[in-house]
This record gives sequence, structure tokens and C-alpha cells, in this order.
Amino acid sequence: DAGVIQSPRHEVTEMGQEVTLRCKPISGHDYLFWYRQTMMRGLELLIYFNNNVPIDDSGMPEDRFSAKMPNASFSTLKIQPSEPRDSAVYFCATRRGGAWAYNEQFFGPGTRLTVL
Amino acid sequence: EDQVTQSPEALRLQEGESSSLNCSYTVSGLRGLFWYRQDPGKGPEFLFTLYSAGEEKEKERLKATLTKKESFLHITAPKPEDSATYLCAVLNNAGNMLTFGGGTRLMVKP
Repeated sequence: DAGVIQSPRHEVTEMGQEVTLRCKPISGHDYLFWYRQTMMRGLELLIYFNNNVPIDDSGMPEDRFSAKMPNASFSTLKIQPSEPRDSAVYFCATRRGGAWAYNEQFFGPGTRLTVL
Repeated sequence: EDQVTQSPEALRLQEGESSSLNCSYTVSGLRGLFWYRQDPGKGPEFLFTLYSAGEEKEKERLKATLTKKESFLHITAPKPEDSATYLCAVLNNAGNMLTFGGGTRLMVKP
């Protein structure tokens, strides 16, 4: 298994531009999570999906952030317009559904976003 | 609100010098406590899940323990390759969301 795949690995953009981050989950994993990691705030959950349906988006900081999961193999996190304070590493993580024992999440390599 | 506090923030050890990392938590019904390792430029890598007080799990030089208020990650005779940030997270009974601590950055010198 290739694990969780994220793209791009690095993104540098200018303030005001639209940014789209992509994630391909591990096959068979029913849950998908988007996190943001910064030095100041650590690892924060933004939103998560179960079977492609958004369940909790209370961590999404503002309306500039949106996430979609059109199918079981793909999810996007979009920031429009981007601001310098959005600079962070964004991680996608997935886990299996079913029995509660399968709660461990598997993380992708992350996308390092820099907004100038 | 669930809270997780890790200490120390940073720890420097000599190779072979055993020590422990602490994770204190408050949670509304613990479903599980998770330990992850994160190397620079990479995503967190799952290490252990602990489900109830008194439980212990081991992997190579690492041993995780759990009480009702905290968890410890014991590192026995560490090697330089154990250098990483170790993250602790809790999952409550209400849902599927992990709450992470700030991490402990471990540096092991040869």
C-alpha cells in the first residue's frame, strides 16, 4: 500500500491567490481528516469526512477554507483567498471504519504552504 | 473541552541515557490514547494505542504506559535514530476527533 498521498508537497503563493491541496486516502479507509500544523498552535483538526460526507468542520478557521470529498479516492482542501497567516503544513490522515479499535490514523507526508 | 499537555517540550539525552516523556490529559470519557512519532518534514507515524489505565505496550526501545490522568513514553537506552518529536493524542467517547498535545522534541546525541 502506498499510504496516504498528498500533493503538492510544497506550495509557495502570493496573498490573495487560490490554493488547492489534494489528498488520496489509503484504499478502504472510510474516514479522512485534514489537519494544520504550526509552531504556535501545534496540530489542529480542520475537518473530517466519513464515507465522503463532511461530519465536523468546526475547526475550519474561516469561510476562506473549504473542503470536498467527491469520491472515496480523493479529497481537496481549498483556500480562497489565501493570506500569509495560512502558512503552515497541512496534513491529510485516514483511518478504517467499523470497529472502534481501528482508531489509529495514518498521516500523509503533508503539504508545506507558504503565502507571501 | 479535551486537553493534552506534554512535557518536557524538548529533551536532550546522551546515547544510552534512559528517560521518560509525559502526556497529561483531561478528556470526557477516554476511548483511546495515541502516541505518534514525527520526523522533520514528515507526517506523524503511529506508534501505540492505549485503551485503559494500567495498560502497557512496547516496541523496541519504547514502552508506553497509561494511568487515569497521564501517559508515559519510556525510552530505554536510546539511540540517535530515536531523535524525533513525539506526539500524544486522546480520543473521547463522543466522536472520531483526536486532540493532540504540543509534542516533545527528543534529541539523542551519540
